[in-house]
Amino acid sequence: ILNVEQSPQSLHVQEGDSTNFTCSFPSSNFYALHWYRWETAKSPEALFVMTLNGDEKKKGRISATLNTKEGYSYLYIKGSQPEDSATYLCAFTSGTYKYIFGTGTRLKVLA
Amino acid sequence: NAGVTQTPKFRVLKTGQSMTLLCAQDMNHEYMYWYRQDPGMGLRLIHYSVGEGTTAKGEVPDGYNVSRLKKQNFLLGLESAAPSQTSVYFCASSNDRGGNQPQHFGDGTRLSIL
Repeated sequence: ILNVEQSPQSLHVQEGDSTNFTCSFPSSNFYALHWYRWETAKSPEALFVMTLNGDEKKKGRISATLNTKEGYSYLYIKGSQPEDSATYLCAFTSGTYKYIFGTGTRLKVLA
Repeated sequence: NAGVTQTPKFRVLKTGQSMTLLCAQDMNHEYMYWYRQDPGMGLRLIHYSVGEGTTAKGEVPDGYNVSRLKKQNFLLGLESAAPSQTSVYFCASSNDRGGNQPQHFGDGTRLSIL
């Protein structure tokens, strides 16, 4: 059974703090890893699509890294702001149309 | 820019009733998906479609049927609703078969079965 795990489940940080979360996924049959940002009462929004081992992607204050050999990806947020409060989801695919989603990391940034 | 639109947003059903959830996308995407979101669990794939006229089972297909008669629409049907189908349902679409492009999600349908 393929499993994607995210940690921590939730965290609270102060405005201005930097933080990071982990997504662990199967290291075999890897094709792509997606990161999504999911605000309450809205739909998940794509942040990054990562396909190559060693990939690093950045969007503003948010960046992500990928290690396909050991099966993990890190998402970093630099200088967290209250508007960064959301659930961050990762999804693994082996390229067969099917995606396996983690349960997400719920981030709350306190002003 | 509508993207992916789900109808309805909320619905309450009685056990045994039937209903259809509609997903419409205006991005000309080939691939469409129905997921359910339950507390403490990741999004789980119910059914998916790789093009007009095609459908396939996902991880949790039992109790659901789907149809993709038009490329832009993907319908999810519950023939005889059960309390275990109380969930939030998300539709998604993509223009890539393997995962090189992200999925685009609708806002979800919150369904309660009494």
